[in-house]
Amino acid sequence: EAQVTQNPRYLITVTGKKLTVTCSQNMNHEYMSWYRQDPGLGLRQIYYSMNVEVTDKGDVPEGYKVSRKEKRNFPLILESPSPNQTSLYFCASSPRLSKSYEQYFGPGTRLTVT
Amino acid sequence: QKEVEQNSGPLSVPEGAIASLNCTYSDRGSQSFFWYRQYSGKSPELIMFIYSNGDKEDGRFTAQLNKASQYVSLLIRDSQPSDSATYLCAVRAPSARQLTFGSGTQLTVLP
Repeated sequence: EAQVTQNPRYLITVTGKKLTVTCSQNMNHEYMSWYRQDPGLGLRQIYYSMNVEVTDKGDVPEGYKVSRKEKRNFPLILESPSPNQTSLYFCASSPRLSKSYEQYFGPGTRLTVT
Repeated sequence: QKEVEQNSGPLSVPEGAIASLNCTYSDRGSQSFFWYRQYSGKSPELIMFIYSNGDKEDGRFTAQLNKASQYVSLLIRDSQPSDSATYLCAVRAPSARQLTFGSGTQLTVLP
């Protein structure tokens, strides 16, 4: 089954404790991205990756890091989480950017930073 | 000015009516337009995309694009309670490497 998986689905953590949210897709997609969703603000892109070892900042990259060492995986790293990073996070993938209509979203990770 | 704007709603329509959702965008060069549906607590799912001016129909859904006026709309005919969700508009300019999303319109279809 074609899918994007994220782990964990729910996470409560404390300020400053480094965490990683994993994202994996099994569709051999080139393009992957991370979004955060906050009430009234819609989906905002954090980082995206056009292919392996090619990543770039989205609209709200501050406080986040990513890596793309393998085509299937695109982890999101919060080196020192803060309460303003409490949000719902989605990973998404598509065959390539020009085929955005085939964008698949993961199930989401709800993060709470206290 | 936000790049992609939607009326946040909530928009309520009775069952069987036509629901009309609107989206305006600021980048006149945008060429790819998408509508996503998101149920509460779930991830967005693509329901329509449109690239050319005019209408595009898929079942009960019709996407309408007017590039001169910089708006794209989604019509849902014969609305059902199962259509109750938040609808997100997304736009991509040809030179952009990302989609820009609006904040979404919450639709409630009343039985």
